[in-house]
Amino acid sequence: EAGVTQFPSHSVIEKGQTVTLRCDPISGHDNLYWYRRVMGKEIKFLLHFVKESKQDESGMPNNRFLAERTGGTYSTLKVQPAELEDSGVYFCASSQARDSLNEQYFGPGTRLTVT
Amino acid sequence: TQLLEQSPQFLSIQEGENLTVYCNSSSVFSSLQWYRQEPGEGPVLLVTVVTGGEVKKLKRLTFQFGDARKDSSLHITAAQPGDTGLYLCAGAGQAGTALIFGKGTTLSVSS
Repeated sequence: EAGVTQFPSHSVIEKGQTVTLRCDPISGHDNLYWYRRVMGKEIKFLLHFVKESKQDESGMPNNRFLAERTGGTYSTLKVQPAELEDSGVYFCASSQARDSLNEQYFGPGTRLTVT
Repeated sequence: TQLLEQSPQFLSIQEGENLTVYCNSSSVFSSLQWYRQEPGEGPVLLVTVVTGGEVKKLKRLTFQFGDARKDSSLHITAAQPGDTGLYLCAGAGQAGTALIFGKGTTLSVSS
């Protein structure tokens, strides 16, 4: 069974540009999460999809971040326009809908550098 | 705001030594998960502890959940160079909620 995949693995963009990150969850996982780790800090939650619906987006930093999960399969996270403080590693995770243990499986992450 | 304090932040030991990593919070969690992360990869789930006082073993790794489900520890016996990596604890609420992560413990085991 394929794990969570993310694309690209690295992205270097200039301040003011736009970047779109993609996540493909484990097949059959209804829950999809985005997290971010900035340098020196802990991994922090951004938002959570259940199928195609946003269940919780309380961790989204501001309206420059837009996440979608059309069709309830893969998800995209767009940052527009990017700022220096958006640099970090963006992780996607997925879990089964009825997993009472809330065990989440992570992708390899996308390292975003804004210069 | 729920917080997980993880200690120590860095640990450098010799092969064969034992070590313990701690994860503490003032909040109660439904479960607590331990992950290991290698450079360039995402966190890989090692174990989930659910019941207060629960102890789980994974080869030379022993995980314990505190009685009050607010804290946890990871003990490694006779550390090997292959144990080198970043160890993360994450508190979980009920199913379908976000994980709360500690900052992690970077372990380096030299031969």
